[in-house]
Amino acid sequence: GQQVMQIPQYQHVQEGEDFTTYCNSSTTLSNIQWYKQRPGGHPVFLIQLVKSGEVKKQKRLTFQFGEAKKNSSLHITATQTTDVGTYFCAEYNTGKLIFGQGTTLQVKP
Amino acid sequence: KAGVTQTPRYLIKTRGQQVTLSCSPISGHRSVSWYQQTPGQGLQFLFEYFSETQRNKGNFPGRFSGRQFSNSRSEMNVSTLELGDSALYLCASSYGTQLVLTFGAGSRLTVL
Repeated sequence: GQQVMQIPQYQHVQEGEDFTTYCNSSTTLSNIQWYKQRPGGHPVFLIQLVKSGEVKKQKRLTFQFGEAKKNSSLHITATQTTDVGTYFCAEYNTGKLIFGQGTTLQVKP
Repeated sequence: KAGVTQTPRYLIKTRGQQVTLSCSPISGHRSVSWYQQTPGQGLQFLFEYFSETQRNKGNFPGRFSGRQFSNSRSEMNVSTLELGDSALYLCASSYGTQLVLTFGAGSRLTVL
């Protein structure tokens, strides 16, 4: 069935370092969404990418959709303690979101 | 604009019991989806309702059911609870064919 693989599972960084999480699929993705879930919280929508090679930025966050639409990445520049949480990629397909396993980011001040 | 409201936020049940969780979507949102989140399996889709009709269903046993009312509020029910049903149950709503979901805070179910 559909699967979206996300790596790494965990990442510990020093505040100020960069962070990247990757999302991969064996099949072409119709779209990719990114969500952030703070500890004890619920997923919150960050962005959606639909076009091949699309790049979108939100302040220190850069989202990319691969040219073949089989992978995506989220890059955070100069992490801050407020970036702590789990980042999920997800494909919206036939009425449901297929989530990756998430990357949990810890930031040491 | 009020967000997605889920009740109860926390509940404890014992094996064999049943539970009903409630979700009130954002006003004007007609699609309501339910997801189960566990440490081992991550976020998994349960079902989606639109205009009181179940449009999509995930790979969960028949013990998991849901419904949607005419005001778009939704409930999900889990019968004959098992220990493995302990999870955070998340409801999400969206507007029409919009693909973006807004999640509620979730209902954390513990089965003893």
